[in-house]
Amino acid sequence: EVQLVESGGGLIQPGRSLRLSCAASGFTVSTNYMSWVRQAPGKGLEWVSVINSGGTTYYADSVKGRFIISRDNYKNTLYLQMNSLRAEDTAVYYCARALLGLTYYYGMDVWGQGTTVTVSS
Amino acid sequence: SHELIQPPSVSVSPGQTASITCSGDRLGDKYTCWYQQKPGQSPVLVIFQDYKRPSGIPERFSGSNSGNIATLTISGTQAMDEADYYCQTWDSSTAGVFGSGTKVNVL
Repeated sequence: EVQLVESGGGLIQPGRSLRLSCAASGFTVSTNYMSWVRQAPGKGLEWVSVINSGGTTYYADSVKGRFIISRDNYKNTLYLQMNSLRAEDTAVYYCARALLGLTYYYGMDVWGQGTTVTVSS
Repeated sequence: SHELIQPPSVSVSPGQTASITCSGDRLGDKYTCWYQQKPGQSPVLVIFQDYKRPSGIPERFSGSNSGNIATLTISGTQAMDEADYYCQTWDSSTAGVFGSGTKVNVL
């Protein structure tokens, strides 16, 4: 079964760091585009970051320079290192597989259940 | 502008047709997909590449995209279709931008 399971969320003080994990099963993370999407309380979906099969990464302007997306091919796991956290980073964070190529985009077809990050003193 | 604008809410009677629009600059030049999200649940892809349905998505969900507007249509709307719906595109300048979201109320 194709599945994504996030972990690592919690309550964290502003300015601190947190790393989220997303363990995949049923498919290989390293041969797919993998993305993080977040949703602040009562708000809409916000794309955060993506890593492609070649390891190239992209970020939303709101997190650029603070967040780092990476993966461990051995563990078949995706990560999001979040540094210099702010109150506005408070959200449910989802990882998702993105069906993306040079000339096509077929959407995010597999999503995790989400992990909650609360940034507050 | 890199924004995708959706109406905040759409109301529909059971059995009727709901149409949700998503507007953005030259949206018709890009592939658009749509997600359904029910309260407390993760998003589910319901339309990709403007009009295609993933396996398991009912035929009552359809999509179109032309000019500056993409549209998700739910024909014969059922109570279970009450949810938030988000459009999304992907391109080199905006990456995976989502629309503002539309709440579909089945009254």
